[in-house]
This record gives sequence, structure tokens and C-alpha cells, in this order.
Amino acid sequence: DAGVIQSPRHEVTEMGQEVTLRCKPISGHNSLFWYRQTMMRGLELLIYFNNNVPIDDSGMPEDRFSAKMPNASFSTLKIQPSEPRDSAVYFCASSLAGQPQETQYFGPGTRLLVL
Amino acid sequence: GNSVTQMEGPVTLSEEAFLTINCTYTATGYPSLFWYVQYPGEGLQLLLKATKADDKGSNKGFEATYRKETTSFHLEKGSVQVSDSAVYFCALSYLDGYNKLIFGAGTRLAVHP
Repeated sequence: DAGVIQSPRHEVTEMGQEVTLRCKPISGHNSLFWYRQTMMRGLELLIYFNNNVPIDDSGMPEDRFSAKMPNASFSTLKIQPSEPRDSAVYFCASSLAGQPQETQYFGPGTRLLVL
Repeated sequence: GNSVTQMEGPVTLSEEAFLTINCTYTATGYPSLFWYVQYPGEGLQLLLKATKADDKGSNKGFEATYRKETTSFHLEKGSVQVSDSAVYFCALSYLDGYNKLIFGAGTRLAVHP
């Protein structure tokens, strides 16, 4: 089992540039979650999807952030334009919805640094 | 609303010491409860879970019991190792049908030889 796959693992960019983070969930999972983790704020849920449809994006910090899930095996989180305060580790997680005892499986994260 | 409160860290222990990390929750309904662990530079991994009251989850020597009467899910280990140094997160499942999780703030554990 490949687990949740995220790319890139590390990203360094300059302020104002567009950043795209990618996630491939575990095959068969139908819920997908995007999180951001920083020392100051801890772990924050940004947005989650079910069956490719966004369910709750209330955690997305600003309009500069957008997320899509064009199909069951791929999701992107885009930041445009990026700012230094967006520097964080971004995690994607997937789960099999409808089963409360089922857990979320996390990817290894993308470490983003905006200069 | 639903929330999870964990004891603040860092927790610093010597190898072979007994570990307790407290976790209490507020929830409507009967959520499942989880402990996740995050090793340095990695994502969160499920450590153990309990899906109903009085259930005990266990894994790798760690245990936690779902206590409905005290709304608690404390993590324990009888003898910690240096390799247990990590951040531990308590979480509950938000009963919206999508497996959304409500996480605590995390507790950092440092185990010294």
C-alpha cells in the first residue's frame, strides 16, 4: 500500500510566486483533508472534500488559497500569490467516509518556505 | 461544540519512566477517540483508537481507555524509550459522516537516556 503521496516534499519560493501542492489519496478513500502546521498555530484544518466535492473550506485563511479535487485520485492546494507567513508544513490526509471508526491517514507533508 | 484539550508540554522523562499524557474532550454524541504520533520531520500516524465507552486502545506498549464518565482518553506507557520522543495528538471524530477529526494542540515528549 503506497499510502498518501504528496509532492513536492520541499518547496522554496519567493514572495509573490504561485505555489501548487499536490496530493494523491489512498486508493478507495473518498474523503480528503488539507492541513497546515506551524509552530505558532499548530495543526489547522484548511479544507476537506468528500467524493471530490468540497464540504467545508472555512479554514482556508484567505482568497489567496484555493483547493481542487478534479478526480478521486488527485487534489491540489494552490497559493497565489504566496507570502512569507504561508511558510509551514502542509499535510494531506485521506479516509473512508461513513465509517466513524475509520481513521485519517496522513501523507509525509510538504515543507514550504516563502522568502 | 466539540473540542479536545491536552496537557501542555513539553514532557521530559528519563528512559524507562512511566508516561501519562492527559486528554479530555467535549462532544455531542459518541465520537471515536484517537491518539496520533508525529515523529520529527514526518506526518501524523495513528497510534491507537477506541470507538466506544470503556474500550481500550493499545499499540507499541501505549494504552488509552475511553472514559465516558470523565470524558477522558489519557495516554499511558509503562516504560518509555528514547525512540518514543515525538509529538502526541489526541483527537475525536466529528460525527458529520466525513471522518473529520478535532485535534488537541499536541504534547511534545522528550525521553532522555
